[in-house]
Amino acid sequence: TQLLEQSPQFLSIQEGENLTVYCNSSSVFSSLQWYRQEPGEGPVLLVTVVTGGEVKKLKRLTFQFGDARKDSSLHITAAQPGDTGLYLCAGEVDSSYKLIFGSGTRLLVRP
Amino acid sequence: KAGVTQTPRYLIKTRGQQVTLSCSPISGHRSVSWYQQTPGQGLQFLFEYFSETQRNKGNFPGRFSGRQFSNSRSEMNVSTLELGDSALYLCASSPTSGQVTETQYFGPGTRLLVL
Repeated sequence: TQLLEQSPQFLSIQEGENLTVYCNSSSVFSSLQWYRQEPGEGPVLLVTVVTGGEVKKLKRLTFQFGDARKDSSLHITAAQPGDTGLYLCAGEVDSSYKLIFGSGTRLLVRP
Repeated sequence: KAGVTQTPRYLIKTRGQQVTLSCSPISGHRSVSWYQQTPGQGLQFLFEYFSETQRNKGNFPGRFSGRQFSNSRSEMNVSTLELGDSALYLCASSPTSGQVTETQYFGPGTRLLVL
């Protein structure tokens, strides 16, 4: 069974601080996606990384895919209250049209 | 363009009953995937449909089934409900091939409570 472990599970920080969320697996994924989910809504795709070692930036968010395509990280610079939500990583299984989701990191950014 | 819609949004059932959930994808999208989200297990893949055919299935018992219609709308059915089936059921649609590198758009989910 392929598993994606996310850490930390919960994070409560002050506005303006930086943070990093990690997504790790012993399995290789064809691609990896990061989502943010807010209460009462479905997850919204933030980014897809495909190539080992790839780094993508989305404003204050920086995403990195590990060289071996087994892990990924999400770094947020100068967090804002609007960043509050559940962050999920998801790995694609062998181009099989299915995603394996991590357990999620619940982020709270206090004003 | 309207997003993915799911009906109903909330549902309460009792053990042993069955339930049917509906998902209308974004217009023009042909792939629909279903996921179950619970606090303990997180988001888990149920199945994916493309052009009325199930292309992939997750590790759920046969009580969970689905189908897709010619207009790409999809339904999932859960028979003989158990307490552990209480969850948020999410569907996601994507434009053409259903490749996960193609953006999947999630609906708001149907929250099912089994008593």
